[in-house]
Amino acid sequence: DTAVSQTPKYLVTQMGNDKSIKCEQNLGHDTMYWYKQDSKKFLKIMFSYNNKELIINETVPNRFSPKSPDKAHLNLHINSLELGDSAVYFCASSQGHHSDLYEQYFGPGTRLTVT
Amino acid sequence: KQEVTQIPAALSVPEGENLVLNCSFTDSAIYNLQWFRQDPGKGLTSLLLIQSSQREQTSGRLNASLDKSSGRSTLYIAASQPGDSATYLCAVWLVQGAQKLVFGQGTRLTINP
Repeated sequence: DTAVSQTPKYLVTQMGNDKSIKCEQNLGHDTMYWYKQDSKKFLKIMFSYNNKELIINETVPNRFSPKSPDKAHLNLHINSLELGDSAVYFCASSQGHHSDLYEQYFGPGTRLTVT
Repeated sequence: KQEVTQIPAALSVPEGENLVLNCSFTDSAIYNLQWFRQDPGKGLTSLLLIQSSQREQTSGRLNASLDKSSGRSTLYIAASQPGDSATYLCAVWLVQGAQKLVFGQGTRLTINP
């Protein structure tokens, strides 16, 4: 069973296009996250949602818009793609975001290449 | 601002050796510290989570320690195997400000048969 899944796994697109990445978790978790891993392998949080509500927005350009239709899904829509958006995007989930007990479980990542 | 540093950036050892990976963080106000493994082209797998009140956690051949006051954690891997080759990331869960994990850049480990 796949705990956290993302689609697509690879995404190649041209500058200026709009694209979406989907994420689903079947762990029954309340909190979901989007992370970006750049070419230097630095992993940084972008957004987190708890029960469909935005909790964290880490100064991400407003071209990035997360959407959580229910607590099992957190999709990432990116408008007007730029070269600098090329990275691997990871979705993750955890039981909650307040306690120190909660491990995060990560999806396999989506490698986005903007040409 | 919390900064997480991992040393060394890369490590290559022969199979069977015991090894230690290091992680340091600048702000001791953390809820927990988590060690992850990342295989090329794949996501992260959680290995161990140490709560701020704990000193260490063990899972199989892995042992992670936490010294919060000095801002350090180590991941000890016993009897290394080629299958242990991966990038190992540590991350701390912040107490102050936004509830989030802050990651180090990782140590790329290669175990040579």
